[in-house]
Amino acid sequence: DTEVTQTPKHLVMGMTNKKSLKCEQHMGHRAMYWYKQKAKKPPELMFVYSYEKLSINESVPSRFSPECPNSSLLNLHLHALQPEDSALYLCASSQDRNNYGYTFGSGTRLTVV
Amino acid sequence: AQKVTQAQTEISVVEKEDVTLDCVYETRDTTYYLFWYKQPPSGELVFLIRRNSFDEQNEISGRYSWNFQKSTSSFNFTITASQVVDSAVYFCALMDPAGTYKYIFGTGTRLKVLA
Repeated sequence: DTEVTQTPKHLVMGMTNKKSLKCEQHMGHRAMYWYKQKAKKPPELMFVYSYEKLSINESVPSRFSPECPNSSLLNLHLHALQPEDSALYLCASSQDRNNYGYTFGSGTRLTVV
Repeated sequence: AQKVTQAQTEISVVEKEDVTLDCVYETRDTTYYLFWYKQPPSGELVFLIRRNSFDEQNEISGRYSWNFQKSTSSFNFTITASQVVDSAVYFCALMDPAGTYKYIFGTGTRLKVLA
């Protein structure tokens, strides 16, 4: 299995909702990442997990809460989002932080209404 | 400061034409890595190539080739005999392995290959 699987593919949520994005990989990768991508822009790093521990938080607002329950799973919990948070959220993984070629998932297209 | 510039916002070519996507980077580091990723309409970024700063050999992979020139700080990507399936956004990126291991992405070039 050489894929990163993200669910759901599309999500529409209200500003008072709580939802979660899920990311799964079975490649034995020990580093996992969340990126946010606005339309016609490059991806922006949000969080990095290395060996199931949060190693980088790019000053992301607390309404985004990451979680790494085990080495194969990465979640992003969403609460009280704003319409400007609407974007494509991409998950990626790599063998470890020293491996520079990432495998990306196809993302979750999030719309906040 | 580190920076990646992809001056071509959008390129349109007819199928079977050759096309070159430009990438110019800025860094003060002597050791760094350069990457190209492809983002098709389905959304995922597909890793194409990684090149380290000490290896200036050009690389060819099928219809894809890369020209790395440190003298001009460029890492250009050429697709030979383009196909409709090559239509995507292509990102060039820089990484400093001695720092935070973060990608510095260019703004991307949207390639449209017309049948």
